[in-house]
Amino acid sequence: KQEVTQIPAALSVPEGENLVLNCSFTDSAIYNLQWFRQDPGKGLTSLLLIQSSQREQTSGRLNASLDKSSGRSTLYIAASQPGDSATYLCAADRLNYGGSQGNLIFGKGTKLSVKP
Amino acid sequence: DTAVSQTPKYLVTQMGNDKSIKCEQNLGHDTMYWYKQDSKKFLKIMFSYNNKELIINETVPNRFSPKSPDKAHLNLHINSLELGDSAVYFCASSRDRWSYNEQFFGPGTRLTVL
Repeated sequence: KQEVTQIPAALSVPEGENLVLNCSFTDSAIYNLQWFRQDPGKGLTSLLLIQSSQREQTSGRLNASLDKSSGRSTLYIAASQPGDSATYLCAADRLNYGGSQGNLIFGKGTKLSVKP
Repeated sequence: DTAVSQTPKYLVTQMGNDKSIKCEQNLGHDTMYWYKQDSKKFLKIMFSYNNKELIINETVPNRFSPKSPDKAHLNLHINSLELGDSAVYFCASSRDRWSYNEQFFGPGTRLTVL
């Protein structure tokens, strides 16, 4: 059974700092891994999707890596800004025979606070 | 232009009532999902539909019945509401279930059962 864990549960950093959010999963048979951002009272915004055959994806100041063998993914945020404050969720898409079923297994998230 | 929309945004109701939440996507996607986020902010999948066909049902009580009139809509009907049903329900969609699916989420419906 796939379990996704995110550490730390909360993180507070000063503006401008580079930071890393961690995500680990127990079953390496994943189809892809997706990082989301959730603002308070809002829905989820997709940030990056890493296919199982890929090692990393980049979008602007964000870089996500995937190491299936160790069951880990990281989200690197460069030069953090107060507007980055949100909860960051990672989700592993379960690999099933015949292809992905899109059954995302979510971690509980890391609540990030970037202080001006 | 909202890609994935849900109505209503807030729903407050009494225990025992029946209610529905509607979801629509204008992305032309084939696959749609319902997720539940509980009071501890933990997100879990409930259902998945591909082209109006149910493909995932994750041990959800029979009181929850999804309905997909067409591939752009996936509604969630809940019978005999219980206190434990209070949560935020998110609808999502993806292009299909075979490629590397990026899922796009709606804004959520906050259901409060009194």
